[in-house]
Amino acid sequence: NAGVTQTPKFRILKIGQSMTLQCTQDMNHNYMYWYRQDPGMGLKLIYYSVGAGITDKGEVPNGYNVSRSTTEDFPLRLELAAPSQTSVYFCASSLTGQGTYNEQFFGPGTRLTVL
Amino acid sequence: GQSLEQPSEVTAVEGAIVQINCTYQTSGFYGLSWYQQHDGGAPTFLSYNALDGLEETGRFSSFLSRSDSYGYLLLQELQMKDSASYFCAVRGFNKFYFGSGTKLNVKP
Repeated sequence: NAGVTQTPKFRILKIGQSMTLQCTQDMNHNYMYWYRQDPGMGLKLIYYSVGAGITDKGEVPNGYNVSRSTTEDFPLRLELAAPSQTSVYFCASSLTGQGTYNEQFFGPGTRLTVL
Repeated sequence: GQSLEQPSEVTAVEGAIVQINCTYQTSGFYGLSWYQQHDGGAPTFLSYNALDGLEETGRFSSFLSRSDSYGYLLLQELQMKDSASYFCAVRGFNKFYFGSGTKLNVKP
């Protein structure tokens, strides 16, 4: 199993450009998440999905969009990039979102700089 | 809203025991998780407490008191490779809220 994979690893965008961050998991997990992590800070939830076709907003959704057409893929779309979106983006997945045991598996991250 | 408090930095020597505390305020609580993150790396899962008490996994233990909105991660027999940031995370309904992290420095 590759686990959670993310592409690209690094990207520099100009203000106003758009891009899609890709995330794929091969563990057949229902739940998937997108986080951003600013330097020296914790992770902030952007969007999450509880299954194909179902997505919902997290703490910081403004400026982002997601879709979940398959169990495996959960792309994050940035429209009209702004310097405030400079961050490291992590995708994660988990088997369930409830229950007494819940582990999130994280991808390696995408480092995005907006200039 | 949600808020989590944990110390920003802790220093300890190799072989020692260190405790990292986490206090939280949340409108919905399903459990407390701990993650480790090395510089430049991705977070990796350490433990999860849904019920009060102590969970032990090798050198790491995690404790939760839901009545006090408090938990801690205990690391025993510290090794140099334990130098990393440690995050507590509250699980709400389908969502996780992370603290700002505690940077652990292990010295020889």
